[in-house]
Amino acid sequence: IVLTQSPGILSLSPGEGAALSCRASQSVTNNYLAWFQHRPGQAPRLLIYAASTRATGIPDRFSGSGSGTDFTLTISRLEPEDSAVYYCQQYGSSKGGTFGPGTKVEIK
Amino acid sequence: QVQLEESGPGLVRPSETLSLTCAVSSFPVSSAYYWGWIRQPPGKGLEWIGTVYLSGNIYYSPSLKSRVNISVDTSKNQFSLSLRSVTGADTAVYYCVGMLGTSARLHDYWGQGTQVTVS
Repeated sequence: IVLTQSPGILSLSPGEGAALSCRASQSVTNNYLAWFQHRPGQAPRLLIYAASTRATGIPDRFSGSGSGTDFTLTISRLEPEDSAVYYCQQYGSSKGGTFGPGTKVEIK
Repeated sequence: QVQLEESGPGLVRPSETLSLTCAVSSFPVSSAYYWGWIRQPPGKGLEWIGTVYLSGNIYYSPSLKSRVNISVDTSKNQFSLSLRSVTGADTAVYYCVGMLGTSARLHDYWGQGTQVTVS
């Protein structure tokens, strides 16, 4: 499976909302699609799994939606610490664990 | 508290084998939803290397499949990455990751990241 993410870069102000898209070249088995946040110098952090389930400790400003081949990560009320690169990844099947190319979110 | 600690050389010669180990504490390595390895080459995004599932299934990146092996050692409670015939393109920060729980309730744990340079 090839994952495509858009946009490549988002530049937004604090308090605004963001919608990050992840599109798969074929249907994601069981909608096992995860979203990760990756800040420079840190290990990635799981935000969302199974397309829409928030991981433990993740603020409800982060939400995931979608199914099949089209998925979205929505971040509401952006905060400065949300500045990071966000990756989608499919998992849990023989189709592998490919990451998308990432969306960089910049907070002005 | 579950912890993952990576170990291995930071410098590997071209054509040799890169070997990294991820020691797991406070959780049996035989019980995770999956264990895996991910890397980030300089200036690039995250790249999936491979994953070992609780079911025993192991999946590797197609681009690395001919050179990579991931194994789990339950006696030492650790899992390992072996990447053969390395080149400069394998220079990256390597992360081990554990997804604990079930498909309906996952929690991620990460190693500290290891810079590996092929030179």
